[in-house]
Amino acid sequence: GQQLNQSPQSMFIQEGEDVSMNCTSSSIFNTWLWYKQEPGEGPVLLIALYKAGELTSNGRLTAQFGITRKDSFLNISASIPSDVGIYFCAGPKDSGTYKYIFGTGTRLKVLA
Amino acid sequence: NAGVMQNPRHLVRRRGQEARLRCSPMKGHSHVYWYRQLPEEGLKFMVYLQKENIIDESGMPKERFSAEFPKEGPSILRIQQVVRGDSAAYFCASSPGYQETQYFGPGTRLLVL
Repeated sequence: GQQLNQSPQSMFIQEGEDVSMNCTSSSIFNTWLWYKQEPGEGPVLLIALYKAGELTSNGRLTAQFGITRKDSFLNISASIPSDVGIYFCAGPKDSGTYKYIFGTGTRLKVLA
Repeated sequence: NAGVMQNPRHLVRRRGQEARLRCSPMKGHSHVYWYRQLPEEGLKFMVYLQKENIIDESGMPKERFSAEFPKEGPSILRIQQVVRGDSAAYFCASSPGYQETQYFGPGTRLLVL
């Protein structure tokens, strides 16, 4: 079945550093979503991408919809301690469906 | 402007008991989805409901699990005769319409002893 693989699995970075993570799929996605999950909480939507090549920012976060439609990237600039959490990519399983497939997650820890 | 509400946030049950998880969607949202998250994993789709209708329950185990979204009141995910393998975080999401972006609640963490 469809899978979303995220890398890296985890990162330890210093406060102020930039972060890059990506998500790849074996099949095409028409929508890419990036969520952040903090301990004990549900996923919070950060950025939604709907078009191949699209580049969208939300504050210090920037995400891109890969032109092959099989990958997406999330960058966080000038990280701060509250960026700690698990970042998930997700997308509808098939075109025009509501079943989200979630990636395996990238666990981010920021050292002050 | 409340988000998706779930209760309880934590639930402990002994094997064989029933677990009832509740979800109130965001105001104006009539589509509800339930997902399960095992430790160290991503969320997995279970069931999609609209008011009084189950649209898709393909991700839900055939036995012991059921879901409803009545005309009035919250959506309920019920797990009968719980087993240790049911221990997980259960998340509810809602959207205003079909295929629209889903917003997640804080989850219910179920622990089966």
